Parts: sequence; C-alpha cells; structure tokens
Amino acid sequence: EVQLVESGGGLVQPGRSLRLSCAASGFTFDDYAMHWVRQAPGKGLEWVSGISWNSGSIGYADSVKGRFTISRDNAKNSLYLQMNSLRAEDTALYYCAKAEGGVIANAGFDYWGQGTLVTVSS
Amino acid sequence: DIVMTQTPLSLSVTPGQPASISCKSSQSLLHSDGKTYLYWYLQKPGQSPQLLIYEVSSRFSGVPDRFSGSGSGTDFTLKISRVEAEDVGVYYCMQGIHLPPTFGQGTKLEIK
Repeated sequence: EVQLVESGGGLVQPGRSLRLSCAASGFTFDDYAMHWVRQAPGKGLEWVSGISWNSGSIGYADSVKGRFTISRDNAKNSLYLQMNSLRAEDTALYYCAKAEGGVIANAGFDYWGQGTLVTVSS
Repeated sequence: DIVMTQTPLSLSVTPGQPASISCKSSQSLLHSDGKTYLYWYLQKPGQSPQLLIYEVSSRFSGVPDRFSGSGSGTDFTLKISRVEAEDVGVYYCMQGIHLPPTFGQGTKLEIK
C-alpha cells in the first residue's frame, strides 16, 4: 500500500523558514517523480514544485521560485521542501504527491498524502 | 500557463441521478506521444484529493465504473452515471502536459 506522510508544518512568522518532509513507503521511491501541491484555506489546489526520480529535473511555481527548494533522498525514501522568506500567502495545507512516472511533466499524481499545515503569521 | 476552466462550479444532485462536469483547457492537452494528459480528482470533505480518472478516460484502481471520462484536445467531461451519497466533495480537473501542472477551480457536488 502506497503511503505518503508529511511532517514539519507549523506556525511561523513572516520572513522565517520551515522545512517540510514527506516519508514514502509501499512503492519503489526512486522510480518516481514527486511533487508538492498546496491548498490555501477554503481554496483550490496549486502546484508548488516537482522533482524527477533522480533529481535531474526540478520545477517551481513562479510564486515560490527563489524562495523554496525541493529535494529528495532516495536512500531514505524521503521528499523535502525547504521554504525560506515565508509570506502570509504561503499559508496552506501542503500535500506530497507521487507522480505516475519518473519525470515531472507529462504525468499526473496518483497518490497524495494527508498534508501538513503551514501557517505564516506574526 | 495552461488555464483550466470547469463548469458548473456547484452541482446538487438527487441520489441515483446522473451528473456531469465540464473542463476546458486553454491549450490542447494532446502530446506528441499520443497521450492526452487530463486528470480528474475528487476531494471528499476533510480528505486529500484522490485520483479518479487519468489520461481522459482511464479509471484509476478501485474507482467505481459509474465514473467515466471523455473528451479530446481542449474539451473534457466527467460523468457520474448514478450519483451516490459517498460521491460528495469537490471535483478537480488537472492538466499534466506542461509545467506548471494546473487545476480547474473545482466543482462542488452536493446531494439533494
């Protein structure tokens, strides 16, 4: 059974940093691209970032480019999102999602975690 | 970015009746590899999104056959042949052909 478990969310002041983690199990992690998708309270889904199976291809939404960094550790079956210079508009539930294949484009997301809540407020 | 537009934004359906949601993309989702990268997700209340349909019309594992997807190019439809109480939630279409992946606004399905 595929499981994706996010952690690392919390309340943080504007301008500060936070690191999210996603622990994966139930599939061969290093065969698949992984993504972060967020959902602001009461709003729709917004893609944040994606990373290919071997970290060779990475993409970011314009809204987070230059502030967020995605990474993965295939030996630990883990995905990360380093979030710097956080803003109030980054407040959201952050989901880890598994891609259908190894690349970050030309695919959808077949499994999602339960999400970790990030609240940016003073 | 590719814009995904869903209609309607809300739907109230009597159990046992059909339902249909439209999704239009601002660019063709047909790739040169012959696949069309259009997906449908359902987010039930308090839950994370779950994949229903991939590549326009293929049902994901465990998805009931009352759900079906159709369409091509830029126009797509999700149909539920007979709505059940467990189908309530918000339905999203998503394109996966180009970065960034983009979602429709969501269609909220309620039961009458």
